[in-house]
Amino acid sequence: DAGVTQSPTHLIKTRGQQVTLRCSPKSGHDTVSWYQQALGQGPQFIFQYYEEEERQRGNFPDRFSGHQFPNYSSELNVNALLLGDSALYLCASTNPGRERYGYTFGSGTRLTVV
Amino acid sequence: AQSVTQLDSQVPVFEEAPVELRCNYSSSVSVYLFWYVQYPNQGLQLLLKYLSGSTLVKGINGFEAEFNKSQTSFHLRKPSVHISDTAEYFCAVSTNAGKSTFGDGTTLTVKP
Repeated sequence: DAGVTQSPTHLIKTRGQQVTLRCSPKSGHDTVSWYQQALGQGPQFIFQYYEEEERQRGNFPDRFSGHQFPNYSSELNVNALLLGDSALYLCASTNPGRERYGYTFGSGTRLTVV
Repeated sequence: AQSVTQLDSQVPVFEEAPVELRCNYSSSVSVYLFWYVQYPNQGLQLLLKYLSGSTLVKGINGFEAEFNKSQTSFHLRKPSVHISDTAEYFCAVSTNAGKSTFGDGTTLTVKP
């Protein structure tokens, strides 16, 4: 049973560029959340998608946007990259009403902005 | 709003010794409580969760945690650690709204 898969695993971008990260949820899950984990810190909630709509959003600027497709996979887009956007980006999936049971996380995409 | 404080950023311990990783939280509503483990270059793996009922919950790999409502704590324990337990541990809280709030993590280093 495939868990959450994320691509790419590593990425290097230049300041000002745009980046797209991809996530496929665990089989049977239809809710996808994105987190940013800076070095030495815990994951910070970016947003959550369900039924192709953004259901919740954390305290992140509009440069961070997302999308969910009919097959439940999701993309995270970041525009006008800043050095401070360098982090591990984690995707997590679950089902509505099942959040109380915890999330299944992917291994993340390591983004480095130079 | 919810917040999570992990009281120890680093915990070194010798193999086969007991360990406790401390977590305090604050919230104005009822929350669910979780511990996750993160091995190097990997995502987070759920260790255990508290939803309701018994305040002592058991998880994978021999870990357990005790929920203390009066002290708003959810400390993680293991009676005897192994080298393979060396990892980053995160305490998290979640509400019915679904968003999870994480602490900054505790690095557990098990020495031979």
